[in-house]
Amino acid sequence: AQKITQTQPGMFVQEKEAVTLDCTYDTSDPSYGLFWYKQPSSGEMIFLIYQGSYDQQNATEGRYSLNFQKARKSANLVISASQLGDSAMYFCAMREKTSYDKVIFGPGTSLSVIP
Amino acid sequence: DSGVTQTPKHLITATGQRVTLRCSPRSGDLSVYWYQQSLDQGLQFLIQYYNGEERAKGNILERFSAQQFPDLHSELNLSSLELGDSALYFCASSVEGGVADTQYFGPGTRLTVL
Repeated sequence: AQKITQTQPGMFVQEKEAVTLDCTYDTSDPSYGLFWYKQPSSGEMIFLIYQGSYDQQNATEGRYSLNFQKARKSANLVISASQLGDSAMYFCAMREKTSYDKVIFGPGTSLSVIP
Repeated sequence: DSGVTQTPKHLITATGQRVTLRCSPRSGDLSVYWYQQSLDQGLQFLIQYYNGEERAKGNILERFSAQQFPDLHSELNLSSLELGDSALYFCASSVEGGVADTQYFGPGTRLTVL
């Protein structure tokens, strides 16, 4: 079964607008971490933001914020004030305490920012 | 720059050959992970080393092997290469491997098997 689902294979957003990239996950472990990575066309994987399952507050890092809805097993990434440089693939990933050595990645969402 | 280095950046070789990919983790990181990213399989975890010892195995083929040396750099060896091994190979490192432990990725090695 898919542990990480990203249902939007491709997204478009107007420059300076906000965009939400969806991520749902499946785990029975009460302790887990959720990560978002960005992969531009140059290929490198860039860490963006982390949310722990016990964190009370939604994580924020600059223009990135994570809309964490634990009961719905949802960890959507919100990018505010989109920039042309935000055009990239975005991957949601999860690490469970019971198998903390393995990070499971979702299939990714391709985001294109339109000027 | 994540602080993780990988060499070479690009590698072109023929079927049946053997190659070695090298990774140096961030200063202070004890864990090294290897991933394969291909168009049809997405990002697949291959193997993890922690302070020189193998810690976890993922979808790694028997033709592939890895090791982590005392200076903590790691090498991924790919042998009897097939066309389907063409992919982007990433190394990532982290401090130790807990739930909150963030993995930082190197720039990747793009392997093309002809």
